[in-house]
Amino acid sequence: EAGVAQSPRYKIIEKRQSVAFWCNPISGHATLYWYQQILGQGPKLLIQFQNNGVVDDSQLPKDRFSAERLKGVDSTLKIQPAKLEDSAVYLCASSLYRNNEQFFGPGTRLTVL
Amino acid sequence: AQRVTQPEKLLSVFKGAPVELKCNYSYSGSPELFWYVQYSRQRLQLLLRHISRESIKGFTADLNKGETSFHLKKPFAQEEDSAMYYCALRALSAQKLVFGQGTRLTINP
Repeated sequence: EAGVAQSPRYKIIEKRQSVAFWCNPISGHATLYWYQQILGQGPKLLIQFQNNGVVDDSQLPKDRFSAERLKGVDSTLKIQPAKLEDSAVYLCASSLYRNNEQFFGPGTRLTVL
Repeated sequence: AQRVTQPEKLLSVFKGAPVELKCNYSYSGSPELFWYVQYSRQRLQLLLRHISRESIKGFTADLNKGETSFHLKKPFAQEEDSAMYYCALRALSAQKLVFGQGTRLTINP
């Protein structure tokens, strides 16, 4: 079974630029999560989707971050404009349903200069 | 609010020695507790969950509600246990995972 796929794996941008990350969950998984992991910290949930609906986006900085999962399958996370403090690894995870085991992708390492 | 604290950022033990990675949490209700592990160049993956009460790769963890702790233990460390370990909590109402900051475990030969 293929795991969660993410691209790109690495991205370097300058502050105030825009960036987008893509995630393809495990086939059949209804729930999709985006986490931000700053160096030296544990992952922090940014947004959780159930199919194509948002379940929790309480920690998403909505003035600059947006995410969508239009067809209930793959998802994109966008940052516009980026700030220095957005430098982190962005992890995507998926689970069959909301309380099932979460499977993580390899992450996208973002560096904002 | 839910909070998970892992007091040790780094832990180093010798092969064959016992290992204990500490995890304390704060939550007023009944949480689910998990340990996740990330080996070098691999993805974050679930190691064990308290409701399963099982031993995975020789590791066990017991939920102590009185002390609000969920420490991870292994009686005899092996070199392949070297990894980053994260404790996580899920509140039944919130249905989202809250992670600790992680402990990097190094097993010395």
